[in-house]
Amino acid sequence: EADIYQTPRYLVIGTGKKITLECSQTMGHDKMYWYQQDPGMELHLIHYSYGVNSTEKGDLSSESTVSRIRTEHFPLTLESARPSHTSQYLCASSEYRQGVYNEQFFGPGTRLTVL
Amino acid sequence: QQQVKQSPQSLIVQKGGIPIINCAYENTAFDYFPWYQQFPGKGPALLIAIRPDVSEKKEGRFTISFNKSAKQFSLHIMDSQPGDSATYFCAASSHQTGANNLFFGTGTRLTVIP
Repeated sequence: EADIYQTPRYLVIGTGKKITLECSQTMGHDKMYWYQQDPGMELHLIHYSYGVNSTEKGDLSSESTVSRIRTEHFPLTLESARPSHTSQYLCASSEYRQGVYNEQFFGPGTRLTVL
Repeated sequence: QQQVKQSPQSLIVQKGGIPIINCAYENTAFDYFPWYQQFPGKGPALLIAIRPDVSEKKEGRFTISFNKSAKQFSLHIMDSQPGDSATYFCAASSHQTGANNLFFGTGTRLTVIP
Protein backbone atom coordinates (compact mmCIF):
# COMPACT_ATOMS: atom_id res chain seq x y z
CA GLU A 1 0.00 0.00 0.00
CA ALA A 2 1.44 3.35 -1.05
CA ASP A 3 1.91 6.03 1.65
CA ILE A 4 0.01 8.76 -0.12
CA TYR A 5 -3.12 10.24 1.36
CA GLN A 6 -5.93 12.37 0.04
CA THR A 7 -8.65 14.20 1.94
CA PRO A 8 -11.52 14.45 1.74
CA ARG A 9 -12.43 11.23 -0.05
CA TYR A 10 -15.82 12.60 -1.07
CA LEU A 11 -16.99 16.21 -1.30
CA VAL A 12 -20.35 17.61 -2.37
CA ILE A 13 -20.41 21.38 -2.58
CA GLY A 14 -22.41 24.21 -4.06
CA THR A 15 -21.44 26.38 -7.00
CA GLY A 16 -19.15 29.30 -6.20
CA LYS A 17 -17.51 27.79 -3.13
CA LYS A 18 -13.75 27.73 -2.68
CA ILE A 19 -12.35 24.27 -2.06
CA THR A 20 -8.95 22.77 -1.31
CA LEU A 21 -8.17 19.12 -1.92
CA GLU A 22 -5.36 17.84 0.27
CA CYS A 23 -2.61 15.44 -0.74
CA SER A 24 0.26 14.23 1.42
CA GLN A 25 2.94 11.60 0.96
CA THR A 26 5.40 10.16 3.45
CA MET A 27 7.82 8.58 0.96
CA GLY A 28 10.03 11.66 0.57
CA HIS A 29 9.28 11.83 -3.15
CA ASP A 30 10.36 14.95 -5.01
CA LYS A 31 7.80 14.80 -7.80
CA MET A 32 4.06 15.04 -7.27
CA TYR A 33 1.13 15.11 -9.67
CA TRP A 34 -2.58 15.86 -9.85
CA TYR A 35 -4.77 13.99 -12.33
CA GLN A 36 -8.42 14.46 -13.20
CA GLN A 37 -10.23 11.21 -13.90
CA ASP A 38 -13.36 11.43 -16.02
CA PRO A 39 -16.42 9.30 -15.29
CA GLY A 40 -15.39 7.30 -18.34
CA MET A 41 -12.13 6.46 -16.55
CA GLU A 42 -9.56 8.44 -18.60
CA LEU A 43 -6.74 10.09 -16.58
CA HIS A 44 -5.63 13.61 -17.48
CA LEU A 45 -2.57 15.30 -15.93
CA ILE A 46 -3.55 18.79 -14.71
CA HIS A 47 -0.59 19.82 -12.50
CA TYR A 48 2.79 18.53 -11.41
CA SER A 49 5.71 19.63 -9.30
CA TYR A 50 9.41 18.75 -9.28
CA GLY A 51 9.84 19.80 -5.65
CA VAL A 52 9.37 22.66 -3.20
CA ASN A 53 8.35 25.93 -4.89
CA SER A 54 7.97 24.18 -8.27
CA THR A 55 4.60 23.92 -10.02
CA GLU A 56 3.86 23.16 -13.66
CA LYS A 57 0.68 22.88 -15.70
CA GLY A 58 -0.17 19.50 -17.17
CA ASP A 59 -1.68 18.50 -20.48
CA LEU A 60 -5.28 19.30 -19.56
CA SER A 61 -6.12 22.93 -18.93
CA SER A 62 -7.61 23.38 -15.48
CA GLU A 63 -8.98 26.32 -13.51
CA SER A 64 -7.46 24.87 -10.37
CA THR A 65 -4.19 26.01 -8.80
CA VAL A 66 -1.59 24.14 -6.76
CA SER A 67 1.18 24.99 -4.33
CA ARG A 68 4.23 23.12 -3.03
CA ILE A 69 5.54 24.70 0.14
CA ARG A 70 6.60 21.42 1.73
CA THR A 71 7.98 18.32 0.03
CA GLU A 72 5.27 16.06 1.42
CA HIS A 73 2.26 18.30 0.74
CA PHE A 74 0.69 19.25 -2.61
CA PRO A 75 -2.78 20.81 -2.20
CA LEU A 76 -5.08 21.69 -5.09
CA THR A 77 -7.43 24.67 -4.86
CA LEU A 78 -10.50 25.71 -6.81
CA GLU A 79 -11.34 29.36 -6.10
CA SER A 80 -14.92 29.10 -7.33
CA ALA A 81 -16.30 25.62 -7.92
CA ARG A 82 -18.62 24.98 -10.88
CA PRO A 83 -20.59 21.89 -11.96
CA SER A 84 -18.05 21.39 -14.77
CA HIS A 85 -15.44 20.68 -12.05
CA THR A 86 -17.33 17.56 -10.98
CA SER A 87 -14.84 14.71 -11.33
CA GLN A 88 -12.47 12.44 -9.47
CA TYR A 89 -9.11 14.00 -8.59
CA LEU A 90 -6.13 11.70 -8.10
CA CYS A 91 -2.84 12.71 -6.51
CA ALA A 92 0.38 10.79 -7.20
CA SER A 93 4.05 10.99 -6.33
CA SER A 94 7.34 9.52 -7.55
CA GLU A 95 11.04 9.89 -7.14
CA TYR A 96 12.57 12.06 -9.82
CA ARG A 97 15.96 11.40 -11.37
CA GLN A 98 16.55 12.84 -14.84
CA GLY A 99 16.88 10.15 -17.47
CA VAL A 100 15.32 7.47 -15.27
CA TYR A 101 11.67 6.63 -15.07
CA ASN A 102 10.29 6.04 -11.60
CA GLU A 103 7.01 4.42 -10.58
CA GLN A 104 4.15 6.75 -9.76
CA PHE A 105 2.26 5.96 -6.55
CA PHE A 106 -1.37 7.08 -6.47
CA GLY A 107 -3.61 8.15 -3.62
CA PRO A 108 -7.20 6.85 -3.35
CA GLY A 109 -8.69 9.95 -4.96
CA THR A 110 -11.20 12.64 -4.03
CA ARG A 111 -14.59 12.42 -5.71
CA LEU A 112 -15.87 15.99 -6.10
CA THR A 113 -19.47 16.84 -6.95
CA VAL A 114 -20.42 20.48 -7.53
CA LEU A 115 -24.14 21.15 -7.47
CA GLN B 1 -5.03 14.56 -29.00
CA GLN B 2 -4.85 11.08 -27.52
CA GLN B 3 -1.18 10.11 -27.23
CA VAL B 4 -1.94 6.48 -26.39
CA LYS B 5 -4.95 4.67 -27.87
CA GLN B 6 -6.32 1.75 -25.86
CA SER B 7 -8.86 -0.93 -26.75
CA PRO B 8 -11.26 -2.43 -25.95
CA GLN B 9 -13.14 -0.13 -23.60
CA SER B 10 -14.58 -3.11 -21.74
CA LEU B 11 -13.99 -6.83 -21.71
CA ILE B 12 -15.81 -9.77 -20.14
CA VAL B 13 -14.16 -13.19 -19.91
CA GLN B 14 -14.82 -16.44 -18.11
CA LYS B 15 -12.52 -17.52 -15.31
CA GLY B 16 -9.43 -19.14 -16.80
CA GLY B 17 -9.68 -17.15 -20.02
CA ILE B 18 -6.90 -14.95 -21.42
CA PRO B 19 -8.04 -11.34 -21.80
CA ILE B 20 -5.90 -9.21 -24.09
CA ILE B 21 -5.80 -5.42 -23.95
CA ASN B 22 -4.16 -3.49 -26.76
CA CYS B 23 -2.49 -0.10 -26.92
CA ALA B 24 -0.97 1.91 -29.76
CA TYR B 25 1.12 5.06 -29.86
CA GLU B 26 2.58 7.44 -32.44
CA ASN B 27 5.37 9.24 -30.61
CA THR B 28 8.60 7.34 -31.33
CA ALA B 29 10.25 9.18 -28.45
CA PHE B 30 8.28 7.09 -25.95
CA ASP B 31 10.66 4.73 -24.20
CA TYR B 32 8.78 3.42 -21.19
CA PHE B 33 5.44 1.59 -21.22
CA PRO B 34 3.79 0.73 -17.89
CA TRP B 35 0.44 -0.85 -17.17
CA TYR B 36 -1.59 0.26 -14.17
CA GLN B 37 -4.42 -1.62 -12.45
CA GLN B 38 -7.22 0.22 -10.67
CA PHE B 39 -9.82 -1.30 -8.36
CA PRO B 40 -13.03 0.60 -7.51
CA GLY B 41 -12.45 3.25 -4.88
CA LYS B 42 -8.66 3.02 -5.19
CA GLY B 43 -6.00 4.85 -7.13
CA PRO B 44 -4.17 3.07 -9.96
CA ALA B 45 -1.20 0.90 -9.02
CA LEU B 46 1.71 -0.17 -11.21
CA LEU B 47 1.25 -3.73 -12.47
CA ILE B 48 4.07 -4.31 -14.94
CA ALA B 49 6.21 -2.20 -17.26
CA ILE B 50 8.42 -2.67 -20.32
CA ARG B 51 11.11 -0.76 -22.20
CA PRO B 52 11.39 -0.97 -26.01
CA ASP B 53 14.63 -2.98 -25.99
CA VAL B 54 12.68 -6.17 -25.24
CA SER B 55 9.68 -7.70 -27.04
CA GLU B 56 8.08 -9.42 -24.07
CA LYS B 57 8.05 -9.21 -20.29
CA LYS B 58 6.33 -11.64 -17.95
CA GLU B 59 5.52 -11.23 -14.26
CA GLY B 60 3.41 -14.02 -12.83
CA ARG B 61 0.22 -14.32 -14.87
CA PHE B 62 0.72 -10.93 -16.55
CA THR B 63 2.63 -10.55 -19.82
CA ILE B 64 3.38 -7.48 -21.91
CA SER B 65 4.05 -8.00 -25.60
CA PHE B 66 5.78 -5.12 -27.38
CA ASN B 67 6.05 -4.51 -31.13
CA LYS B 68 8.34 -1.53 -31.70
CA SER B 69 7.93 -1.40 -35.49
CA ALA B 70 4.14 -1.39 -35.23
CA LYS B 71 4.22 0.96 -32.22
CA GLN B 72 1.88 -1.33 -30.33
CA PHE B 73 1.94 -3.12 -27.00
CA SER B 74 -0.52 -5.37 -25.25
CA LEU B 75 -1.29 -6.90 -21.87
CA HIS B 76 -2.20 -10.58 -21.58
CA ILE B 77 -3.59 -12.05 -18.37
CA MET B 78 -3.13 -15.81 -18.21
CA ASP B 79 -5.59 -17.99 -16.28
CA SER B 80 -7.69 -14.94 -15.35
CA GLN B 81 -9.42 -14.91 -11.97
CA PRO B 82 -12.43 -12.97 -10.63
CA GLY B 83 -9.96 -11.01 -8.48
CA ASP B 84 -8.44 -9.62 -11.69
CA SER B 85 -11.68 -7.71 -12.35
CA ALA B 86 -10.50 -4.10 -12.44
CA THR B 87 -9.78 -1.25 -14.82
CA TYR B 88 -6.47 -1.48 -16.66
CA PHE B 89 -4.59 1.51 -18.08
CA CYS B 90 -1.66 1.44 -20.45
CA ALA B 91 0.66 4.42 -20.43
CA ALA B 92 3.77 5.77 -22.11
CA SER B 93 6.55 8.14 -21.18
CA SER B 94 9.58 9.72 -22.81
CA HIS B 95 12.78 10.69 -21.05
CA GLN B 96 13.57 13.03 -23.93
CA THR B 97 11.00 15.53 -22.68
CA GLY B 98 12.79 15.77 -19.35
CA ALA B 99 9.51 15.77 -17.46
CA ASN B 100 9.07 11.98 -17.57
CA ASN B 101 5.31 12.45 -17.34
CA LEU B 102 2.96 9.61 -18.19
CA PHE B 103 0.41 9.68 -21.00
CA PHE B 104 -2.43 7.30 -20.16
CA GLY B 105 -4.76 5.31 -22.40
CA THR B 106 -8.50 5.56 -21.90
CA GLY B 107 -8.73 2.41 -19.76
CA THR B 108 -10.27 -1.04 -20.14
CA ARG B 109 -12.81 -2.30 -17.64
CA LEU B 110 -12.22 -6.05 -17.25
CA THR B 111 -14.80 -8.38 -15.70
CA VAL B 112 -13.87 -12.00 -15.03
CA ILE B 113 -16.93 -14.17 -14.50
CA PRO B 114 -16.55 -17.06 -12.02
